[in-house]
Amino acid sequence: QVQLQESGPGLVKPSETLSLTCAVSGLSISGPYYWGWIRMPPGKEMEWIGSMIHTGTTYYNPSLKSRVSISMDTSKNQFSLKMSSVTAADTAVYYCSRRPGYFFDYWGQGTLVTVSS
Amino acid sequence: QSALTQPPSASGSPGQSVTISCTGTSSDVGGYNYVSWYQHHPGKAPKLLIYEVTKRPSGVPDRFSGSKSDNTASLTVSGLQAEDEANYYCSSFAGDKEIFGGGTKLTVL
Repeated sequence: QVQLQESGPGLVKPSETLSLTCAVSGLSISGPYYWGWIRMPPGKEMEWIGSMIHTGTTYYNPSLKSRVSISMDTSKNQFSLKMSSVTAADTAVYYCSRRPGYFFDYWGQGTLVTVSS
Repeated sequence: QSALTQPPSASGSPGQSVTISCTGTSSDVGGYNYVSWYQHHPGKAPKLLIYEVTKRPSGVPDRFSGSKSDNTASLTVSGLQAEDEANYYCSSFAGDKEIFGGGTKLTVL
């Protein structure tokens, strides 16, 4: 059974860096698929953040590209998100997912990150 | 590109059919056959229902079907069941990113 589990601080201060990790079980992240992050701010639509494949190729949402970095640790079968200079607008539920094509087939349950001092 | 447009709510009685629309532009929904649909029960992981407009992953009942006409994609849920009550989101490739709709809350009366 494939499971994705997000983890990380639920509260981040403005201007600091948000860091989240997604632990994957039941499937190797070294396979020929992209893995990445999606978020849903309260009351707003979901927003794709970015995706990465184990070869190192990454794709980011152009609106977030300057602040976002996705990395992978294949030895731990997990991947991570870093988002710098966060503001209240970055408050959202963050989901990790697998992107085998132009869709997302496996998702985590999501983790709420609140940006507040 | 802005978000895709979905009706905020839809409803139907058990056994009935409901169709949820997802309207975009020629730069996203109309330009690519890469529309997907997701079912989301709050607090749980979203579930892929439809990808590439009409394809169903294994394990998804054939009560769920997708279609597209010009810039509007649609998800039809036939034979409504109580467990279909959830939020439904569409997504489309938009050239340099994926974009999503605002979601439709489906109520089974």
